[in-house]
Amino acid sequence: DAGVIQSPRHEVTEMGQEVTLRCKPISGHDYLFWYRQTMMRGLELLIYFNNNVPIDDSGMPEDRFSAKMPNASFSTLKIQPSEPRDSAVYFCASSLAGGVHEQFFGPGTRLTVL
Amino acid sequence: AQSVSQHNHHVILSEAASLELGCNYSYGGTVNLFWYVQYPGQHLQLLLKYFSGDPLVKGIKGFEAEFIKSKFSFNLRKPSVQWSDTAEYFCAVKSGGGADGLTFGKGTHLIIQP
Repeated sequence: DAGVIQSPRHEVTEMGQEVTLRCKPISGHDYLFWYRQTMMRGLELLIYFNNNVPIDDSGMPEDRFSAKMPNASFSTLKIQPSEPRDSAVYFCASSLAGGVHEQFFGPGTRLTVL
Repeated sequence: AQSVSQHNHHVILSEAASLELGCNYSYGGTVNLFWYVQYPGQHLQLLLKYFSGDPLVKGIKGFEAEFIKSKFSFNLRKPSVQWSDTAEYFCAVKSGGGADGLTFGKGTHLIIQP
């Protein structure tokens, strides 16, 4: 079992550039979650999907952030344009039938916006 | 809205000492509770979880936690810590039965001195 796969592991970009983070959930999992971890705010839920459909995006900080899940094995989180305050570690997690199953986390993408 | 409070941001212990990390949550309904651990350079891993039944739950690596509903608490314990327990520990809550994302505490950075 490969676990949740995220790419890239590290991303350094300049303010104003577009950033795309990628996630491959565990095969067979029908829930996918995006979280952001910062020193100030800790781990926060940004958005989650069920069967590729966004269910709750109330955690997405602003319109510069967007997430898609075109199929069951791939999701993207895009920031356009990026700002220094977006610097954080972004985690993707997946689970079976969200309600009673644990979420499995990927290794995270460390984003630095200069 | 749910919130999770972890009382200690940094804890330093010597090997073989006993550990208790506090976690309180605010949510009036049925909850599912989790403790995750993040070892240096690694991704979040589940230590233990509570969904229902016996309020004393046992997890991996000798950890346990007790759900006290009247106190809205889910403290993590280990009778004798090891140097390898050095990590960041996160308490998380989810509304019971729902397929929501997790609400995390800010985390406790635990350092075990040999």
